[in-house]
Amino acid sequence: NAGVTQTPKFQVLKTGQSMTLQCAQDMNHNSMYWYRQDPGMGLRLIYYSASEGTTDKGEVPNGYNVSRLNKREFSLRLESAAPSQTSVYFCASLRTANTEAFFGQGTRLTVV
Amino acid sequence: GEDVEQSLFLSVREGDSSVINCTYTDSSSTYLYWYKQEPGAGLQLLTYIFSNMDMKQDQRLTVLLNKKDKHLSLRIADTQTGDSAIYFCAERGGGATNKLIFGTGTLLAVQP
Repeated sequence: NAGVTQTPKFQVLKTGQSMTLQCAQDMNHNSMYWYRQDPGMGLRLIYYSASEGTTDKGEVPNGYNVSRLNKREFSLRLESAAPSQTSVYFCASLRTANTEAFFGQGTRLTVV
Repeated sequence: GEDVEQSLFLSVREGDSSVINCTYTDSSSTYLYWYKQEPGAGLQLLTYIFSNMDMKQDQRLTVLLNKKDKHLSLRIADTQTGDSAIYFCAERGGGATNKLIFGTGTLLAVQP
């Protein structure tokens, strides 16, 4: 049982490049989330998906897009990366009937 | 919108009690959580409290919830050096959204 799997673990991008961060969970959770973590800023919600087929903006959605491909997978896309998007990105999932949200190990992204 | 605030830093001596505080704004929150993050790692659930409870105790951890003031606290008894980490408070929105908002995190430093 892998839990929440994020790929890649590390990435360096040049300004203006695009990339997709992948997240998959095998716990049959209905809700999935993308956060970014920056020093002194805590975890800020970028986008979330309450259930398959729905996505909603979080606190800091600008510069990002998401796709809830199916119940298992929730991807985060940077269309034109900027240095301000240098951060650690975490994916999480949760089942409505349960209390705990589970987190992936994070993706460290550097935009130069 | 939702907002969760915490103080950024707390320093205690080994064996003392630690109290980490959190304030939130969403009165419809269903669950409130405390997560722990050790250096270079993802987030792990420490404990949670349902919004209709005032207190929850779990071994060395005591959670107090003042719903009127929207104030949550985490007390760690007999704090150990292994408790040094970042502690995040989080609120989970009501209804079908499952929106999960985290605070800025409190860095707990335990001095031997």
